[in-house]
Amino acid sequence: DIQMTQSPSSLSASVGDRVTITCRASQNISNFLNWYQQKPGKAPNLLIYVTTNLQNGVPSRFSGTGSGTDFSLTISSLQPADFATYYCQQSYSFPRTFGQGTKVEI
Amino acid sequence: EVQLVESGGGVTRPGGSLRLSCAASGLNFDDYDMNWVRQAPGRGLEWVAGVNRIGGSSGYADSVKGRFTISRDNLRKSLYLQMDSLRAEDTAVYFCTRENQEHRWPHFFYYMDVWGKGTTVTVSS
Repeated sequence: DIQMTQSPSSLSASVGDRVTITCRASQNISNFLNWYQQKPGKAPNLLIYVTTNLQNGVPSRFSGTGSGTDFSLTISSLQPADFATYYCQQSYSFPRTFGQGTKVEI
Repeated sequence: EVQLVESGGGVTRPGGSLRLSCAASGLNFDDYDMNWVRQAPGRGLEWVAGVNRIGGSSGYADSVKGRFTISRDNLRKSLYLQMDSLRAEDTAVYFCTRENQEHRWPHFFYYMDVWGKGTTVTVSS
């Protein structure tokens, strides 16, 4: 199975900060990498697919980069609605696997 | 509006069984592969099982293989998860997800773009 490792596990930031979350795959997954945002008590929402593509309706302050084994999600200017937990997920092979999550707190 | 609505969760004892359902609306259900993803209390996301669009091929996480069975009824636009021999560690919120795909030759890229709100399964003696 492909292991996905996110860092950090949690971070504290302020409104307006630039925030970057990294995700490392245990083997080469090309661009088969997606990012999800989850707020407490809610289902996850797709943010970015195929490493760099913003899902419809996702603000342009979110961006994704990477290839192979190393990926990142950046929020250019953190907004109050962005305080949530973020997960990366590989769709290169089965079983689909997620990172352990990064909680972004105030 | 595309919508997935899960049902069938509840409380059961270890060794018991439950059958989860997911009703789809607002989409051509048989155009998409579908998944079940779960989240234990205070934990991260875990893919449980997936099935292709015609129901002819399915896959499972090692943690549920041999105990859970995923299936679908395209006429009823419904996805199911039969869960047998339940264990305490199966306690979680179970989400139904649509697996969308994008073809960029020569690859198909997959992502879960629609999620239900989830149904809660509790396994406890």
